[in-house]
Amino acid sequence: NAGVTQTPKFQVLKTGQSMTLQCAQDMNHNSMYWYRQDPGMGLRLIYYSASEGTTDKGEVPNGYNVSRLNKREFSLRLESAAPSQTSVYFCASSERREAFFGQGTRLTVV
Amino acid sequence: QKEVEQNSGPLSVPEGAIASLNCTYSDRGSQSFFWYRQYSGKSPELIMFIYSNGDKEDGRFTAQLNKASQYVSLLIRDSQPSDSATYLCAVNPGGKSTFGDGTTLTVKP
Repeated sequence: NAGVTQTPKFQVLKTGQSMTLQCAQDMNHNSMYWYRQDPGMGLRLIYYSASEGTTDKGEVPNGYNVSRLNKREFSLRLESAAPSQTSVYFCASSERREAFFGQGTRLTVV
Repeated sequence: QKEVEQNSGPLSVPEGAIASLNCTYSDRGSQSFFWYRQYSGKSPELIMFIYSNGDKEDGRFTAQLNKASQYVSLLIRDSQPSDSATYLCAVNPGGKSTFGDGTTLTVKP
């Protein structure tokens, strides 16, 4: 079972570049999430989607957009990357209780 | 005030000792509470969840919840070097978890 799959695993961007982080889950979960984790800190919610076709802002949405393409896929887009967006990004999915996480994307913006 | 606060750590215990990790939360309406373990460079994985006041035991792990005091803790008995990791407390009001900053535990052989 793949669980939650994120691509890419690593990425280096120049300031101002754009990119999309992809996430797919095969557990038929309704809810999906994007978090960022900065060194020594917990997970901060960027956006979440409670079901296909719906998205909502989390704690730190500025500079990001999301698309819930279908029940399986939830993508995160950085339109104009900034050094402050250097972080590890985790996608997760859940069905009421436990959240299952992808392996993370390490993004560096230079 | 942060919504979820954990002891800042790092916490170091000798092998075989009890490790105690603590978490407080601010939303009195919170109903579900989770402890995740995160090894360095890896993604978080769930180790315990608790919904009701009192204790919940699973092997060497015990989660304790006191809703009146807005406090949840995790005890790890007979700590092993393999327990060395960062432990994240998460509170799930309304279906989206809010995480604490984590407590890093080191178990020394």
